[in-house]
Amino acid sequence: DAGVTQSPTHLIKTRGQQVTLRCSPKSGHDTVSWYQQALGQGPQFIFQYYEEEERQRGNFPDRFSGHQFPNYSSELNVNALLLGDSALYLCASSLNFGKAFFGQGTRLTVV
Amino acid sequence: SQQGEEDPQALSIQEGENATMNCSYKTSINNLQWYRQNSGRGLVHLILIRSNEREKHSGRLRVTLDTSKKSSSLLITASRAADTASYFCATRETSGSRLTFGEGTQLTVNP
Repeated sequence: DAGVTQSPTHLIKTRGQQVTLRCSPKSGHDTVSWYQQALGQGPQFIFQYYEEEERQRGNFPDRFSGHQFPNYSSELNVNALLLGDSALYLCASSLNFGKAFFGQGTRLTVV
Repeated sequence: SQQGEEDPQALSIQEGENATMNCSYKTSINNLQWYRQNSGRGLVHLILIRSNEREKHSGRLRVTLDTSKKSSSLLITASRAADTASYFCATRETSGSRLTFGEGTQLTVNP
């Protein structure tokens, strides 16, 4: 049983560019959440998708958008990248309010 | 913003000793979860305790929850060098489904 998988593992982008990160949830899970983790800090909630709709959103600007597909996989898009967007981006899947299982993350570096 | 605060921020112990980490939070919760993270990689789920539970055990882990004080503790008994990692508590609020993380405790177990 595959766990949560994220791609790519590492990414380097230039300021102003756009990036798309991908996540496949754990088998049987229908909810996908995205988190941003800056170095030395705890993860910060970006948004959550359920039934292909954004169910809840954290305090992130509109440059951060997402999508969930019918197979429950998800994408996180960030436009107009800033240096401050450099972080580890984590995807988590769960079945409703239960345990959340995390992927290994995508390390994004903006230069 | 972070809901939880972990205490201490860093903890260094010898192998075989017990490690205790504390977490405080601010709002009503559905459950509280503890995670482990090795060197900026993905989060590994350790244990979930529901708001109507007071104590839970899993192997060498013991978690307590005091909803009147809005606090939780994680005890790792007979620590090993392999337990060296960052430990985070995360709360699932009753009013929503996001996980809100604390800043984490960096545990170092010296062989």
